[in-house]
Amino acid sequence: RKEVEQDPGPFNVPEGATVAFNCTYSNSASQSFFWYRQDCRKEPKLLMSVYSSGNEDGRFTAQLNRASQYISLLIRDSKLSDSATYLCVVNTGFQKLVFGTGTRLLVSP
Amino acid sequence: NAGVTQTPKFQVLKTGQSMTLQCAQDMNHEYMSWYRQDPGMGLRLIHYSVGAGITDQGEVPNGYNVSRSTTEDFPLRLLSAAPSQTSVYFCASSPDRPPQPQHFGDGTRLSIL
Repeated sequence: RKEVEQDPGPFNVPEGATVAFNCTYSNSASQSFFWYRQDCRKEPKLLMSVYSSGNEDGRFTAQLNRASQYISLLIRDSKLSDSATYLCVVNTGFQKLVFGTGTRLLVSP
Repeated sequence: NAGVTQTPKFQVLKTGQSMTLQCAQDMNHEYMSWYRQDPGMGLRLIHYSVGAGITDQGEVPNGYNVSRSTTEDFPLRLLSAAPSQTSVYFCASSPDRPPQPQHFGDGTRLSIL
């Protein structure tokens, strides 16, 4: 089993839609969680950290479910510019970051 | 402020050739690392450094060497290129060790023929 698993998608949604991605992780001792965004043929960039109580940044909401070992990312009112690949990243301890393979989002007019 | 700068952006090598991928950061970050990204796989850590003069192996170190003589520079050397090393390589830095957010360079696309 992979340490971090994501549905590769693509998720095709119209502008204005709400879309959610999940990411599961296998190491119950994982300590920190992040979502990165990667545009086509570009470098990954930090989108947001994921806190235990859940957190929101504008149209983006991240949640953590430690019992079921998954994190989620909800995007409201999708924009064309949200089209990208979203990487789930987990700190499994020992200063190690494990990157998921990413979920591709395509937002259409 | 350039952030993390990688050169070259593209490179084609023949099997058996050696080369060095350059990485420089101007943010005075202590932690630097090299990842490779392959289709269907997440970024995998090759080597990392927690400060000048200190390097260590990541998940997939074989075939690669690194050194960290200054805080700014962290070059990655391919000793004898193999087709399996065809990949996109990203250098990243952060003020301190993970899980601090990583600042990535814009990548080097390397093809080994």
